[in-house]
Amino acid sequence: AQSVAQPEDQVNVAEGNPLTVKCTYSVSGNPYLFWYVQYPNRGLQFLLKYITGDNLVKGSYGFEAEFNKSQTSFHLKKPSALVSDSALYFCAVRRFYNNNDMRFGAGTRLTVKP
Amino acid sequence: SQTIHQWPATLVQPVGSPLSLECTVEGTSNPNLYWYRQAAGRGLQLLFYSVGIGQISSEVPQNLSASRPQDRQFILSSKKLLLSDSGFYLCAWARGGGEQYFGPGTRLTVT
Repeated sequence: AQSVAQPEDQVNVAEGNPLTVKCTYSVSGNPYLFWYVQYPNRGLQFLLKYITGDNLVKGSYGFEAEFNKSQTSFHLKKPSALVSDSALYFCAVRRFYNNNDMRFGAGTRLTVKP
Repeated sequence: SQTIHQWPATLVQPVGSPLSLECTVEGTSNPNLYWYRQAAGRGLQLLFYSVGIGQISSEVPQNLSASRPQDRQFILSSKKLLLSDSGFYLCAWARGGGEQYFGPGTRLTVT
């Protein structure tokens, strides 16, 4: 079975500073990795995904993520954080192309302070 | 473009009462559909998924059930709610093996 870990419950950064939200995964075979963002009392919004190809994936709202196979990581990054980036972020992994077995991490709450 | 709707947005129900939550998708055909529950604003638990009309797979045993009476309609039901059923219920759709897109959610409080 596949799983993801988000080692930080909370990440605090100052506006304008770079941000990183960490994610590590465990899966047999090739992983399909995703990042989602959730604002209070809302559904999850898709940010980006890694399927194959370049290890650096660019997504919505200026976010990007780097796939590192040797470290089994897929960290979310942004060069300059905005206060409006404050939200709950979820990493997810799926094995092969089976869309019915996506596993989500517990989430990381990002707070960007002005 | 595709949109996904859920209703109601909020619901307060007494223990032992029935439940029906509805999810509909517009702008696509034959989507894969999913019900998740999110407790305490954190991790998501997959409850049910469906790859076609009348095809339902359950991920966890509990007093909830799901049905897909139409291609783009997914319903979550219960005959008798428990206190532990409280949570934020999210419906999602996906096209084939792509990423999942989530609805706005239903906040259920069982009293």
